[in-house]
Amino acid sequence: DAGVIQSPRHEVTEMGQEVTLRCKPISGHDYLFWYRQTMMRGLELLIYFNNNVPIDDSGMPEDRFSAKMPNASFSTLKIQPSEPRDSAVYFCASSYWDVYNEQFFGPGTRLTVL
Amino acid sequence: EDKVVQSPLSLVVHEGDTVTLNCSYEVTNFRSLLWYKQEKKAPTFLFMLTSSGIEKKSGRLSSILDKKELFSILNITATQTGDSAVYLCAVSYSGGSNYKLTFGKGTLLTVNP
Repeated sequence: DAGVIQSPRHEVTEMGQEVTLRCKPISGHDYLFWYRQTMMRGLELLIYFNNNVPIDDSGMPEDRFSAKMPNASFSTLKIQPSEPRDSAVYFCASSYWDVYNEQFFGPGTRLTVL
Repeated sequence: EDKVVQSPLSLVVHEGDTVTLNCSYEVTNFRSLLWYKQEKKAPTFLFMLTSSGIEKKSGRLSSILDKKELFSILNITATQTGDSAVYLCAVSYSGGSNYKLTFGKGTLLTVNP
């Protein structure tokens, strides 16, 4: 299995621009998680899906952030408009059967907002 | 307030040393504690602990959970330079009807030859 796939791996954009991050979970996994990692705040859970349905988005920092999962093999995290404080590494992870199971992380997208 | 606290924040040792990393937590409706290793990329799973006093072991790494005192330790024996990484502790718990997961800030381990 190819593991969790994320794209792009690096994104540099200017403040105010829309940013879309993409994730393909491991086939057969029914849970998908989006995380943000910064030096200051560490690794934070933003939102998670079960069978393509958003379950808990309480970690999403504000309305500028949105996430969708139109099917079992694809999810997006969108930031509109982006701000410099959104600069971070964004990880996608997936797991199967039970939300409390181990999660498999993608390689991450390093986002820089100028 | 931090729900998951790891110590030390960083540690430098020589190859062959044994290290102990600590993770304490304070959550209600605890479900599990997980350890991850993060090198210059994504976190990779090491252990999941749900029961007190049962040691999980994988090669030179081992971990145990104390649900009464609310902490876990990760031991690495005979350290190697390849063990250099950030070790993350995460605690899963139920928040209302939903799943919650909080990570600690991590321990940066540097193993020198």
